[in-house]
Amino acid sequence: GAVVSQHPSWVICKSGTSVKIECRSLDFQATTMFWYRQFPKQSLMLMATSNEGSKATYEQGVEKDKFLINHASLTLSTLTVTSAHPEDSSFYICSGRGANEKLFFGSGTQLSVL
Amino acid sequence: LAKTTQPISMDSYEGQEVNITCSHNNIATNDYITWYQQFPSQGPRFIIQGYKTKVTNEVASLFIPADRKSSTLSLPRVSLSDTAVYYCLGLGNEKLTFGTGTRLTIIP
Repeated sequence: GAVVSQHPSWVICKSGTSVKIECRSLDFQATTMFWYRQFPKQSLMLMATSNEGSKATYEQGVEKDKFLINHASLTLSTLTVTSAHPEDSSFYICSGRGANEKLFFGSGTQLSVL
Repeated sequence: LAKTTQPISMDSYEGQEVNITCSHNNIATNDYITWYQQFPSQGPRFIIQGYKTKVTNEVASLFIPADRKSSTLSLPRVSLSDTAVYYCLGLGNEKLTFGTGTRLTIIP
Protein backbone atom coordinates (compact mmCIF):
# COMPACT_ATOMS: atom_id res chain seq x y z
CA GLY A 1 0.00 0.00 0.00
CA ALA A 2 0.90 3.64 -0.22
CA VAL A 3 3.25 5.08 2.37
CA VAL A 4 3.05 8.31 4.28
CA SER A 5 6.15 9.25 6.21
CA GLN A 6 5.73 11.50 9.24
CA HIS A 7 8.56 13.06 11.24
CA PRO A 8 9.47 13.36 13.98
CA SER A 9 7.90 10.44 15.84
CA TRP A 10 8.10 12.29 19.09
CA VAL A 11 9.26 15.70 20.23
CA ILE A 12 9.67 17.38 23.58
CA CYS A 13 9.87 21.14 23.66
CA LYS A 14 9.76 24.03 26.07
CA SER A 15 6.67 26.15 26.43
CA GLY A 16 6.71 29.09 24.01
CA THR A 17 8.78 27.41 21.30
CA SER A 18 7.55 26.29 17.88
CA VAL A 19 7.57 22.77 16.53
CA LYS A 20 7.33 21.65 12.91
CA ILE A 21 5.95 18.27 11.89
CA GLU A 22 6.50 16.95 8.37
CA CYS A 23 4.30 14.61 6.40
CA ARG A 24 5.46 13.15 3.10
CA SER A 25 3.62 10.87 0.69
CA LEU A 26 6.39 8.62 -0.58
CA ASP A 27 4.85 6.78 -3.51
CA PHE A 28 1.77 8.74 -4.47
CA GLN A 29 0.74 12.32 -4.98
CA ALA A 30 -1.58 13.63 -2.30
CA THR A 31 -3.53 16.60 -3.56
CA THR A 32 -5.34 16.64 -0.24
CA MET A 33 -3.82 16.07 3.17
CA PHE A 34 -5.54 15.99 6.54
CA TRP A 35 -4.18 16.77 9.97
CA TYR A 36 -5.61 15.20 13.10
CA ARG A 37 -4.88 15.32 16.79
CA GLN A 38 -5.67 12.58 19.23
CA PHE A 39 -5.80 12.60 23.02
CA PRO A 40 -5.31 9.38 25.01
CA LYS A 41 -8.13 6.87 24.59
CA GLN A 42 -10.05 9.24 22.32
CA SER A 43 -10.80 9.24 18.63
CA LEU A 44 -8.97 11.27 16.01
CA MET A 45 -10.14 14.87 15.76
CA LEU A 46 -9.82 16.55 12.38
CA MET A 47 -7.91 19.81 12.68
CA ALA A 48 -7.59 20.95 9.10
CA THR A 49 -7.72 19.97 5.47
CA SER A 50 -5.05 21.20 3.12
CA ASN A 51 -4.99 21.17 -0.64
CA GLU A 52 -1.76 21.56 -2.54
CA GLY A 53 -1.07 25.16 -3.42
CA SER A 54 -3.93 26.68 -1.46
CA LYS A 55 -4.70 27.74 2.09
CA ALA A 56 -5.77 25.10 4.56
CA THR A 57 -9.34 24.85 5.77
CA TYR A 58 -9.48 24.68 9.55
CA GLU A 59 -12.14 23.03 11.66
CA GLN A 60 -14.14 25.09 14.10
CA GLY A 61 -12.19 25.79 17.25
CA VAL A 62 -8.76 25.24 15.69
CA GLU A 63 -6.66 28.39 15.67
CA LYS A 64 -5.13 28.86 12.25
CA ASP A 65 -2.47 31.23 13.56
CA LYS A 66 -1.35 28.68 16.10
CA PHE A 67 -1.39 25.62 13.87
CA LEU A 68 0.24 26.70 10.62
CA ILE A 69 -0.21 24.29 7.75
CA ASN A 70 1.77 24.43 4.54
CA HIS A 71 1.11 22.15 1.59
CA ALA A 72 3.54 23.47 -0.96
CA SER A 73 3.91 20.30 -3.05
CA LEU A 74 1.95 17.18 -3.89
CA THR A 75 4.14 15.10 -1.60
CA LEU A 76 4.80 17.35 1.40
CA SER A 77 2.65 18.99 4.03
CA THR A 78 3.89 20.51 7.27
CA LEU A 79 2.18 21.46 10.51
CA THR A 80 3.87 24.02 12.72
CA VAL A 81 2.66 24.41 16.27
CA THR A 82 3.62 27.96 17.16
CA SER A 83 4.29 29.13 20.71
CA ALA A 84 3.45 25.72 22.06
CA HIS A 85 1.93 25.35 25.50
CA PRO A 86 1.39 22.27 27.66
CA GLU A 87 -2.25 22.03 26.53
CA ASP A 88 -0.97 21.48 22.98
CA SER A 89 0.62 18.22 24.08
CA SER A 90 -1.06 15.55 22.00
CA PHE A 91 -0.59 12.93 19.31
CA TYR A 92 -0.67 14.53 15.86
CA ILE A 93 -1.37 12.45 12.77
CA CYS A 94 -1.35 13.35 9.09
CA SER A 95 -2.94 11.55 6.19
CA GLY A 96 -2.94 11.81 2.44
CA ARG A 97 -5.74 10.92 0.09
CA GLY A 98 -4.79 8.42 -2.60
CA ALA A 99 -6.61 6.49 -5.29
CA ASN A 100 -10.22 5.35 -4.69
CA GLU A 101 -10.45 7.93 -1.95
CA LYS A 102 -8.31 5.78 0.33
CA LEU A 103 -6.63 7.57 3.19
CA PHE A 104 -3.08 6.67 4.12
CA PHE A 105 -1.82 7.76 7.49
CA GLY A 106 1.51 8.75 8.89
CA SER A 107 2.82 7.04 11.99
CA GLY A 108 2.01 10.03 14.17
CA THR A 109 3.99 12.52 16.25
CA GLN A 110 3.78 12.61 20.02
CA LEU A 111 4.28 16.20 21.14
CA SER A 112 5.07 16.93 24.76
CA VAL A 113 5.32 20.56 25.80
CA LEU A 114 7.02 21.19 29.12
CA LEU B 1 -21.53 14.52 6.79
CA ALA B 2 -21.41 10.74 7.08
CA LYS B 3 -21.68 10.09 10.82
CA THR B 4 -20.82 6.58 11.91
CA THR B 5 -21.93 4.64 14.98
CA GLN B 6 -20.06 1.64 16.32
CA PRO B 7 -20.00 -0.30 19.59
CA ILE B 8 -17.54 1.35 21.98
CA SER B 9 -15.85 -1.90 22.92
CA MET B 10 -15.86 -5.64 22.30
CA ASP B 11 -14.07 -8.60 23.82
CA SER B 12 -13.34 -11.90 22.12
CA TYR B 13 -11.27 -15.00 22.74
CA GLU B 14 -8.36 -15.99 20.57
CA GLY B 15 -9.31 -18.10 17.57
CA GLN B 16 -12.85 -16.76 17.35
CA GLU B 17 -14.37 -14.87 14.45
CA VAL B 18 -15.16 -11.27 15.34
CA ASN B 19 -17.79 -9.16 13.61
CA ILE B 20 -17.92 -5.42 14.18
CA THR B 21 -20.90 -3.56 12.77
CA CYS B 22 -20.97 0.10 11.88
CA SER B 23 -24.06 2.18 11.17
CA HIS B 24 -23.77 4.97 8.61
CA ASN B 25 -27.36 5.95 7.86
CA ASN B 26 -26.59 9.04 5.78
CA ILE B 27 -23.64 7.83 3.83
CA ALA B 28 -23.24 9.62 0.52
CA THR B 29 -23.87 7.81 -2.75
CA ASN B 30 -20.26 8.13 -3.83
CA ASP B 31 -18.67 7.21 -0.50
CA TYR B 32 -16.58 4.09 -0.14
CA ILE B 33 -16.92 2.34 3.21
CA THR B 34 -13.48 1.94 4.69
CA TRP B 35 -12.18 0.33 7.86
CA TYR B 36 -9.00 1.18 9.72
CA GLN B 37 -7.10 -0.40 12.59
CA GLN B 38 -5.16 1.65 15.11
CA PHE B 39 -2.65 0.49 17.71
CA PRO B 40 -1.61 2.78 20.58
CA SER B 41 0.73 5.60 19.54
CA GLN B 42 0.48 4.70 15.85
CA GLY B 43 -1.41 6.10 12.91
CA PRO B 44 -4.46 4.20 11.63
CA ARG B 45 -3.75 1.39 9.21
CA PHE B 46 -6.00 0.58 6.24
CA ILE B 47 -7.74 -2.77 6.55
CA ILE B 48 -10.39 -3.02 3.86
CA GLN B 49 -12.66 -0.94 1.67
CA GLY B 50 -15.85 -1.62 -0.24
CA TYR B 51 -18.80 -0.01 -1.95
CA LYS B 52 -21.45 -2.74 -1.75
CA THR B 53 -21.92 -6.49 -1.26
CA LYS B 54 -18.90 -8.37 0.01
CA VAL B 55 -15.20 -7.72 -0.17
CA THR B 56 -12.50 -10.04 1.12
CA ASN B 57 -8.77 -9.64 1.42
CA GLU B 58 -6.02 -11.49 3.24
CA VAL B 59 -6.91 -10.07 6.65
CA ALA B 60 -10.66 -9.41 6.73
CA SER B 61 -14.02 -9.47 5.02
CA LEU B 62 -16.42 -6.59 4.66
CA PHE B 63 -20.16 -7.09 4.27
CA ILE B 64 -22.30 -4.23 3.00
CA PRO B 65 -26.06 -4.66 2.54
CA ALA B 66 -27.85 -3.26 -0.45
CA ASP B 67 -29.06 -0.13 1.37
CA ARG B 68 -25.49 0.66 2.46
CA LYS B 69 -26.71 2.02 5.79
CA SER B 70 -24.41 -0.29 7.69
CA SER B 71 -21.39 -2.46 7.21
CA THR B 72 -19.80 -5.35 9.08
CA LEU B 73 -16.10 -5.99 9.40
CA SER B 74 -15.34 -9.66 9.92
CA LEU B 75 -11.99 -10.76 11.36
CA PRO B 76 -11.48 -14.53 11.10
CA ARG B 77 -9.68 -16.39 13.87
CA VAL B 78 -8.44 -13.42 15.84
CA SER B 79 -5.20 -13.44 17.77
CA LEU B 80 -3.84 -11.30 20.59
CA SER B 81 -2.20 -9.00 18.03
CA ASP B 82 -5.65 -8.00 16.76
CA THR B 83 -6.26 -6.06 19.99
CA ALA B 84 -6.71 -2.52 18.67
CA VAL B 85 -9.26 0.18 17.92
CA TYR B 86 -11.21 -0.26 14.69
CA TYR B 87 -12.78 2.66 12.86
CA CYS B 88 -15.20 2.75 9.96
CA LEU B 89 -15.44 5.77 7.69
CA GLY B 90 -17.35 6.80 4.63
CA LEU B 91 -14.72 8.09 2.26
CA GLY B 92 -15.84 10.46 -0.44
CA ASN B 93 -15.32 14.03 -1.34
CA GLU B 94 -16.37 15.60 1.92
CA LYS B 95 -14.15 16.13 4.91
CA LEU B 96 -13.34 13.05 6.89
CA THR B 97 -14.27 12.70 10.52
CA PHE B 98 -13.75 9.71 12.75
CA GLY B 99 -16.37 8.24 15.03
CA THR B 100 -15.60 6.74 18.40
CA GLY B 101 -14.25 3.50 16.96
CA THR B 102 -14.53 0.06 18.54
CA ARG B 103 -11.92 -0.99 21.07
CA LEU B 104 -11.45 -4.71 20.46
CA THR B 105 -9.73 -6.72 23.18
CA ILE B 106 -8.66 -10.28 22.48
CA ILE B 107 -8.53 -12.54 25.50
CA PRO B 108 -6.06 -15.43 25.60
